[in-house]
Amino acid sequence: QVQLQESGPGLVKPSETLSLTCTVSYGSIHSYYLTWIRQPPGKGLEWIGYVHYSGSTNYNPSLKSRVTISVDTSKNQFSLKLSSVTAADTAVYYCAACGYLTTVFDYWGQGTLVTVSS
Amino acid sequence: QSALTQPASVSGSPGQSITISCTGTSSDVGGYNYVSWYQQHPGKAPKLMIYEVSDRPSGVSNRFSGSKSGNTASLTISGLQAEDEADYYCSSYTSSSTHVLFGGGTKLTVL
Repeated sequence: QVQLQESGPGLVKPSETLSLTCTVSYGSIHSYYLTWIRQPPGKGLEWIGYVHYSGSTNYNPSLKSRVTISVDTSKNQFSLKLSSVTAADTAVYYCAACGYLTTVFDYWGQGTLVTVSS
Repeated sequence: QSALTQPASVSGSPGQSITISCTGTSSDVGGYNYVSWYQQHPGKAPKLMIYEVSDRPSGVSNRFSGSKSGNTASLTISGLQAEDEADYYCSSYTSSSTHVLFGGGTKLTVL
């Protein structure tokens, strides 16, 4: 079964760029739409966007101007960059994999808390 | 775009059945059969329980079922068990540029 694992800094300063990587194991990165979702502490889920191994992307319009999601098929990894962060970007960030439906999140990473603070 | 609307909390006793609603619009829940439900225990990642309104992934108990009427989807859990106590989120494809919406989440308490 596919496993996903997020990695990256747990603390980012305001106005800087948040960078996370998700490593996909026991499955081909070519088989999925690779997604990032976040959850502010005590709040609900927010879809950030996805990338396909072909390089095609789709982003939440509310974040589109600050988000880049990319894929590295040679490493079976995909990445999230979120620029100009503020305290409102503090959240648990999850990577997830979708099968044939880009709105069904079949597999999830364990999540990583990113705090934006000086 | 606004999130889908879910009750903040529901509760039930072991063995009972409960239903969680998820209300959207004709641009999302009502217009497409792309509603999913996720279970999230504290400190854990969400887990897919229902997709395409009423389909269950392999390994999910048949005590979990989904349905839809108009702009409202529902998740029913029958034969409640203590392990079902968790937060539940619905999601739906939306024809807006947002692509996918989540509900605000419902906290299920097993009394």
